[in-house]
Amino acid sequence: GQQLNQSPQSMFIQEGEDVSMNCTSSSIFNTWLWYKQEPGEGPVLLIALYKAGELTSNGRLTAQFGITRKDSFLNISASIPSDVGIYFCAGRMNTGFQKLVFGTGTRLLVSP
Amino acid sequence: DGGITQSPKYLFRKEGQNVTLSCEQNLNHDAMYWYRQDPGQGLRLIYYSQIVNDFQKGDIAEGYSVSREKKESFPLTVTSAQKNPTAFYLCASSILDRGPNQPQHFGDGTRLSIL
Repeated sequence: GQQLNQSPQSMFIQEGEDVSMNCTSSSIFNTWLWYKQEPGEGPVLLIALYKAGELTSNGRLTAQFGITRKDSFLNISASIPSDVGIYFCAGRMNTGFQKLVFGTGTRLLVSP
Repeated sequence: DGGITQSPKYLFRKEGQNVTLSCEQNLNHDAMYWYRQDPGQGLRLIYYSQIVNDFQKGDIAEGYSVSREKKESFPLTVTSAQKNPTAFYLCASSILDRGPNQPQHFGDGTRLSIL
């Protein structure tokens, strides 16, 4: 099955820094979702995007649905230690069912 | 609290043994899904179900089986035909009646290992 190209694979940053990660696809998507997963737990939905160009915030997190509908990015501002985890993007193509395609994840480590 | 409950948290399988992973949701969601997660990879879809008594294969269904006898429950059986079953298994669910774009919500996973 298809997987999305997500970058970077990992990031090690200092507390207070801003973070940016992105996902790209060769296919057009009608939905982009961003999830965070902590060790031993399931992914938790952070932000859902439904329209090309849409920019949505959730606290210190901001995500955008790319104009081409083939990419999305997630920014985290003023990172804190509890931001540590793996961030996954997921996209849904323009089909009749909600089958999601997942990125390979960005592992974020934050140093206090 | 409403949510998705997966059990057990950890499971060990012997050679030639079938094991069943439980997934229960009390969110009244229509659709349920099973994913497999391997280190360094994204989630891969095993099976999904949109309605009771109906389910479809995902991208990596070989060696797995499911049933959907109740709306709340979607158990996954890892059969002896699955030669590399060691992975983290995630169950998810979503609403269908508000349109096709509702996000999926996940349980906390079951880690399956080979003895």
